[in-house]
Parts: sequence; C-alpha cells; structure tokens
Amino acid sequence: QSVLTQPPSASGTPGQRVTISCSGSSSNIGSNTVNWYQQLPGTAPKLLIYSNNQRPSGVPDRFSGSKSGTSASLAISGLQSEDEADYYCAAWDDSLNGHVVFGGGTKLTVL
Amino acid sequence: QVQLVQSGAEVKKPGASVKVSCKASGYTFTSYGISWVRQAPGQGLEWMGWISAYNGNTNYAQKLQGRVTMTTDTSTSTAYMELRSLRSDDTAVYYCARGKGDTAMAPFDYWGQGTLVTVSS
Repeated sequence: QSVLTQPPSASGTPGQRVTISCSGSSSNIGSNTVNWYQQLPGTAPKLLIYSNNQRPSGVPDRFSGSKSGTSASLAISGLQSEDEADYYCAAWDDSLNGHVVFGGGTKLTVL
Repeated sequence: QVQLVQSGAEVKKPGASVKVSCKASGYTFTSYGISWVRQAPGQGLEWMGWISAYNGNTNYAQKLQGRVTMTTDTSTSTAYMELRSLRSDDTAVYYCARGKGDTAMAPFDYWGQGTLVTVSS
C-alpha cells in the first residue's frame, strides 16, 4: 500500500487531455513539493515535473503539474502515443525522520 | 552530459549480501546527493535511502535500517549500495538517481540504467 494514492490506470485518445491525481497527507504533499516521474516500458524513470509545476529542460509544455492542499495533479494535453507509460508522483514525507514516498503509479494507455 | 552507469545484474542466495555500484560522470560528484530506488517485478517505485556525496551523510528508509549501507568513493565518483541478509522479496531492479541538489528532499533528475538483483535459492 503506497503512501501516496494514484489511480492504477488512465486512458485517452490522441489529442485529448488527461489528468492523473495524487493524494497524500499533511506530512507529505501538504507540507512539501511534489515531483512526477515518467517510466516508459523497460526503461528507468525520468523526471517529468518537479517542485509541483516546474518542467526540466527538454520536457514538452504539454505536461503540467499542480498542487492544492494534500493533493496534486499531472495534466497531459495533446496526448500522443509516445506518452503511453507509467507515471509516479513523489514527495518528501516529514514523518519517521524524513523520507521520500511514491505513489503506486498510474499506467496511461493511449487508445 | 550527466551519466550514471550501474554495475551488472546479480543473482544471490537468501541470506547473502549484494553491493551495487553507480559511477557518475559529467558533473561535480560532490555537489549532489545520490538516492537509491528499487522496483520489484511488476511493482512501483520504493525509495531506499540517500547519501550526500559531499560529506557522506545518509538517510535510510526505516524498513531497511540495519540491512542497507550506502557509501561513496569521491576519488572515482562512484556511489555504492550494499544490502545484506537478502530475502526473496528483495528481488528487484535497483536504481541510483542523482538528486537535483545535495539534500535528501531533492527530486531525482538523472537515473542510472538499473541493476537487476535476483534472490533465489
């Protein structure tokens, strides 16, 4: 059972906008920033969004992040077939001397 | 360009230890921390802990305390993760990841390719 809660799956058709939610608590998302990672099949994860809504260099602006209270969301607009991947949210958790917690991951299917 | 290159796959028996290496290049090694993240087959990501490459400070996941040790060799820009008393549920791909800063809270901006560790009798 992951500390951060994500839907196990999401789907959309090319060109659509999809959102993936990530729910936490006051000790993690409520008091720290959220990062999002994309993991394409058979590869290492890649940083997609950091500090709630910042995109690393090279990440298309189709990807955006937001946070409100103890929840966060990743939005993907103009969905493309290459966006089919697993997406994970992560945040620092202040409990237990501090540690990183991940969501269980959301498998995005492009129909 | 920043690269993290990990050591090869390992097969270990229950109760044994494994040490995975992560050689960094393309940046000043001591200016960033390294975290280790593992992924069991078909499962999600699990944070194992963090080490500062600047001063060797560590922060381990509570469930792995006492079984895991993270170290660095600044002369070779290499980070190591040793896991002892291996169990079957330690079977996973182990990733090293650079933190976007020298703090355990930093997001992971570069990742190694992963090392599969299989624990089987």
